[in-house]
Amino acid sequence: AQSVSQHNHHVILSEAASLELGCNYSYGGTVNLFWYVQYPGQHLQLLLKYFSGDPLVKGIKGFEAEFIKSKFSFNLRKPSVQWSDTAEYFCAVKGSQGNLIFGKGTKLSVKP
Amino acid sequence: NAGVTQTPKFRILKIGQSMTLQCTQDMNHNYMYWYRQDPGMGLKLIYYSVGAGITDKGEVPNGYNVSRSTTEDFPLRLELAAPSQTSVYFCASSPGRGGLGEQFFGPGTRLTVL
Repeated sequence: AQSVSQHNHHVILSEAASLELGCNYSYGGTVNLFWYVQYPGQHLQLLLKYFSGDPLVKGIKGFEAEFIKSKFSFNLRKPSVQWSDTAEYFCAVKGSQGNLIFGKGTKLSVKP
Repeated sequence: NAGVTQTPKFRILKIGQSMTLQCTQDMNHNYMYWYRQDPGMGLKLIYYSVGAGITDKGEVPNGYNVSRSTTEDFPLRLELAAPSQTSVYFCASSPGRGGLGEQFFGPGTRLTVL
């Protein structure tokens, strides 16, 4: 069965620091990968997605992710975080039923 | 478009009570999903539907039931509430399995069972 692992449970950064959140998936075939963000008290919103083509994917709010097939990874990055990026971030892979299989999430706290 | 809407936003149930969580989407999406989110566990799929009249179990279906009589609505039923069903429930929809796969989420229902 497909699965997604997120390495960090809670990351604390100061404003302007660089961010990288790890994500590994288990499936070796064609994958559709996603990063979602959940701001406090809100629903999940799509940050970015990868289906094919350029492995470096750019999303909203300055986020990007790199798909590295040989490492089964899809890490999320942002060069300079802001206080408003405080949220929980979920990596997900599309499952066989069209559903999303989520990692456990990484909480990001950005100190002003 | 309102997107995906869910009611109620919050609910407290006593053990053994029943309730229905409502979910409606106005994007004419065929696929709809129910997830539950527990702290530190991510989201788990409860049930899903690929179109009106067709539903199937996900990873954690026990204690829940669904129906899909229209494209727009996908209610989730809890028949005998248990403390283990305390969670945040999210409904989502997508155009279809063969599409881009992006799912659109509702605002969630926070359920507490005491």
